[in-house]
Amino acid sequence: GNSVTQMEGPVTLSEEAFLTINCTYTATGYPSLFWYVQYPGEGLQLLLKATKADDKGSNKGFEATYRKETTSFHLEKGSVQVSDSAVYFCALTLSGSARQLTFGSGTQLTVLP
Amino acid sequence: EAGVAQSPRYKIIEKRQSVAFWCNPISGHATLYWYQQILGQGPKLLIQFQNNGVVDDSQLPKDRFSAERLKGVDSTLKIQPAKLEDSAVYLCASSSQGGNTEAFFGQGTRLTVV
Repeated sequence: GNSVTQMEGPVTLSEEAFLTINCTYTATGYPSLFWYVQYPGEGLQLLLKATKADDKGSNKGFEATYRKETTSFHLEKGSVQVSDSAVYFCALTLSGSARQLTFGSGTQLTVLP
Repeated sequence: EAGVAQSPRYKIIEKRQSVAFWCNPISGHATLYWYQQILGQGPKLLIQFQNNGVVDDSQLPKDRFSAERLKGVDSTLKIQPAKLEDSAVYLCASSSQGGNTEAFFGQGTRLTVV
């Protein structure tokens, strides 16, 4: 079946540190890949996405590259801010699957000033 | 543009009681999803509607969970009777039709069964 594996948290960083959150996937077919973010007290928001191999999704200084050869979609940011503190979810969906999302377990990020 | 609205935000019930959650999707969105998010886990799809028809309810525990989407707009999710393991956040999401469209999520309803 389809699954997403994320690095376990929580992750605690100092402001301006470099962030990497690992994500690997297993899928039958060719998935689209997503990172969602959940800020405290808010709903899930799409952060970025990539729909085919070698695509790079980017938003708000975050980036992730769709690596088919390693089945990975690692999230990176060069300099995190306190406001980036949130839970980050990696997810996939398959074409023809009615756009249902399969999520990883989430990674809690805390950025300290 | 108004987002996906859910109510209530929080609910505490005793086991074996019943509970219902309501969702109002973004106007014009034909597809509506209910996800269950247990603490420490990612959301898991319970049911998906396309307009007022069910697309997939294969992961819905039908002995106790039910959902409907009358008139293809609002939706309700019901649990009867509730069990302790139903404690979770119930998320509603909607998306427009067509490929490569984004799903927009509501804030969720946090259910605690005691």
